[in-house]
Amino acid sequence: EPEVTQTPSHQVTQMGQEVILRCVPISNHLYFYWYRQILGQKVEFLVSFYNNEISEKSEIFDDQFSVERPDGSNFTLKIRSTKLEDSAMYFCASRGDAGNQPQHFGDGTRLSIL
Amino acid sequence: GESVGLHLPTLSVQEGDNSIINCAYSNSASDYFIWYKQESGKGPQFIIDIRSNMDKRQGQRVTVLLNKTVKHLSLQIAATQPGDSAVYFCAENYYGNNRLAFGKGNQVVVIP
Repeated sequence: EPEVTQTPSHQVTQMGQEVILRCVPISNHLYFYWYRQILGQKVEFLVSFYNNEISEKSEIFDDQFSVERPDGSNFTLKIRSTKLEDSAMYFCASRGDAGNQPQHFGDGTRLSIL
Repeated sequence: GESVGLHLPTLSVQEGDNSIINCAYSNSASDYFIWYKQESGKGPQFIIDIRSNMDKRQGQRVTVLLNKTVKHLSLQIAATQPGDSAVYFCAENYYGNNRLAFGKGNQVVVIP
């Protein structure tokens, strides 16, 4: 069964450094998402991406965040200058283009900011 | 604003018994609901979904019930197995909106 894959599984970064989280969505999907989950809390929406542009973003997704689909398979989340509070699990998700369809999630990248 | 919440933080259930997990939502515009299962160290895994024009949907060993009158969603797991031990989230969405709004999660612990 096709799945969303994310790399790396764990990223440790010094505060203030840039980090790029990578995702390969399911190949025939057209909608892409990033969510985060702070330890012990619920999953929070960050951004959605369709047709090579951001379609919606949350209040968490400030100017430090950006997303990109550099080629036909990868979808990345960049945090320009990381803060301690960026430490969380980051999940990528994708879904197909057929009305209401479930979003399928990867296993996440654990981001630890020191 | 949108709000999805779960009533019980932890549910302990004997192996073989049925489990019921409840979820309340507050956005009356929501028309699509999903249950996800999250095992330790993994991402949310799709279990079952339901649209607002339905009040019940069945999958393999799982049933989702939707009561739009009281804005309540439940997930029933039949003959619970040790592999069902996980955190279960409900999530809501409405047509034209991209984001899923997740609840806090409900831990299910299956006792062998």
